[in-house]
Amino acid sequence: ETGVTQTPRHLVMGMTNKKSLKCEQHLGHNAMYWYKQSAKKPLELMFVYSLEERVENNSVPSRFSPECPNSSHLFLHLHTLQPEDSALYLCASSQAAGGNQPQHFGDGTRLSIL
Amino acid sequence: QKEVEQDPGPLSVPEGAIVSLNCTYSNSAFQYFMWYRQYSRKGPELLMYTYSSGNKEDGRFTAQVDKSSKYISLFIRDSQPSDSATYLCAMSARSTGGFKTIFGAGTRLFVKA
Repeated sequence: ETGVTQTPRHLVMGMTNKKSLKCEQHLGHNAMYWYKQSAKKPLELMFVYSLEERVENNSVPSRFSPECPNSSHLFLHLHTLQPEDSALYLCASSQAAGGNQPQHFGDGTRLSIL
Repeated sequence: QKEVEQDPGPLSVPEGAIVSLNCTYSNSAFQYFMWYRQYSRKGPELLMYTYSSGNKEDGRFTAQVDKSSKYISLFIRDSQPSDSATYLCAMSARSTGGFKTIFGAGTRLFVKA
């Protein structure tokens, strides 16, 4: 399997639920990213990991908790989300964080908060 | 003012037309420029990656960068219905700790058969 794989593809959850999004990259990259994509808005960078260390956290609410156990896997743990958190969550990877190499994206998890 | 401006469209063209997609930006420090294509229910897919000013061609696609005008373009020749997608521009500038990438909001393109 190649590229960046995200699971699940769709997720519906209530505001009191706890769930996790998973991302796996098969590109041998050292950096991984979480983005939020809402309709007609630019991609919003949430978190950046480089070699399993978080190097950027863009003022994301604490109800989103990332985890990077190794350079190939990235998780986003969700709890007590709000309706405005409904969006497409995209994972990306690149050769290095903060480098000029382009990012490669997965197909995202479509999240709906009831 | 947004760092990157991109007309959301939608842009509708007949099959075979030449399509021009554009982005403007305000930060003269941007050095690397990218175009991504995003089909419905899919993630963004890298189409073109260029450095500094000039043109780059790949098949039916040409990316053009004019740093003096802070303007980038993606041209699609002989457009096909399969080109119908949202096109995102992105650009990177050196920032504290490395490079920072900013994305446009995307232009929705429809190519009619």
